[in-house]
Amino acid sequence: GAGVSQTPSNKVTEKGKYVELRCDPISGHTALYWYRQSLGQGPEFLIYFQGTGAADDSGLPNDRFFAVRPEGSVSTLKIQRTERGDSAVYLCASSLTGTDSYEQYFGPGTRLTVT
Amino acid sequence: DAKTTQPNSMESNEEEPVHLPCNHSTISGTDYIHWYRQLPSQGPEYVIHGLTSNVNNRMASLAIAEDRKSSTLILHRATLRDAAVYYCILRGRGSGNTPLVFGKGTRLSVIA
Repeated sequence: GAGVSQTPSNKVTEKGKYVELRCDPISGHTALYWYRQSLGQGPEFLIYFQGTGAADDSGLPNDRFFAVRPEGSVSTLKIQRTERGDSAVYLCASSLTGTDSYEQYFGPGTRLTVT
Repeated sequence: DAKTTQPNSMESNEEEPVHLPCNHSTISGTDYIHWYRQLPSQGPEYVIHGLTSNVNNRMASLAIAEDRKSSTLILHRATLRDAAVYYCILRGRGSGNTPLVFGKGTRLSVIA
């Protein structure tokens, strides 16, 4: 079946602009995660959705970052007033929900470059 | 989640076995040991996980020390496609959908 997809694959924007990054999770996965990965580092957690609600947004670096998942499927990560330090690969993952430690399925990521 | 320690990089010849170590001396009794890997220009992918007993699947084997303070991911015959960064991650039992906490992982190079 189809895996997690992310669009766009690459985004170049100017400092101060607004960007939206989209994630399409695997059908039936109610849990959705956003991570950010800087060069040479492992992915870093940003926010986690359970259904439509954000269950944990403790990883968002500041209030310029916001994410939504209005219908419990597709999610959009929104970044306002972008800064050069926001340049990174933004990864989305989805998983089943439960008390067991379910594996997470990752998309290929969106490479964001802020000039 | 408890901390893990992995070598920054390792190198292997193609078609030879590879043993990727991970130290987790502060592991708790209910922590599972998970391994993910990240191929170039891709998102991470799940490899294997275990609690106490050694585990095998189509991708790899996981050998867990008796005191559980270390584990080893074993690729039985490395191929060029196995060149990736390998992450060892601890997750508490019943952690459900908690986020993964990644370290820097081990970058594996495979030489033809």
